[in-house]
Amino acid sequence: GENVEQHPSTLSVQEGDSAVIKCTYSDSASNYFPWYKQELGKRPQLIIDIRSNVGEKKDQRIAVTLNKTAKHFSLHITETQPEDSAVYFCAASDDMNRDDKIIFGKGTRLHILP
Amino acid sequence: DAGVTQSPTHLIKTRGQHVTLRCSPISGHKSVSWYQQVLGQGPQFIFQYYEKEERGRGNFPDRFSARQFPNYSSELNVNALLLGDSALYLCASSPTGYNTEAFFGQGTRLTVV
Repeated sequence: GENVEQHPSTLSVQEGDSAVIKCTYSDSASNYFPWYKQELGKRPQLIIDIRSNVGEKKDQRIAVTLNKTAKHFSLHITETQPEDSAVYFCAASDDMNRDDKIIFGKGTRLHILP
Repeated sequence: DAGVTQSPTHLIKTRGQHVTLRCSPISGHKSVSWYQQVLGQGPQFIFQYYEKEERGRGNFPDRFSARQFPNYSSELNVNALLLGDSALYLCASSPTGYNTEAFFGQGTRLTVV
């Protein structure tokens, strides 16, 4: 089955700097890659997603890149702000599979330092 | 427009007991999925239901079961609770039968003592 590896597990960056979180997946059939942000005690919230027919997607300060050949995808946050502090999860899914599910990485705890 | 709602928000049960968790999806969403999130880990897929039919099942024992009702709300049942079942149980809804653009509820924090 699908396995998603996420690195690093913890990341500290100075406010205003960029943060990059990297993930790899094992199932070549995966074609949908969402990213979720989870603040302490709150629900995971979808912040951006990308499909396999696209190499890059950007939404304001957040961008995601996908390399299908290498089976890895990354989240880039630019001009980080204190409110970006949270746990970020990458995930992979085969959205054409009837027996579908979202497989999550173990998360990256992002600390934005003042 | 209400998001995904789950009840109860917190629950304490004793080993061996049974628990029922409830989820109401976003209006218009027909797919509901359940996830277990242990502290410090990512959510793990338990079940997906679409149009009252089980579409997917994760690697969980038969003590876990679920169902979806005609109004698309869902219940997750866990029998013979173990200490290791203590976790945050998340429900996610999506508009279609495929796990795309899943929106999560706030979760039910289950503690087994």
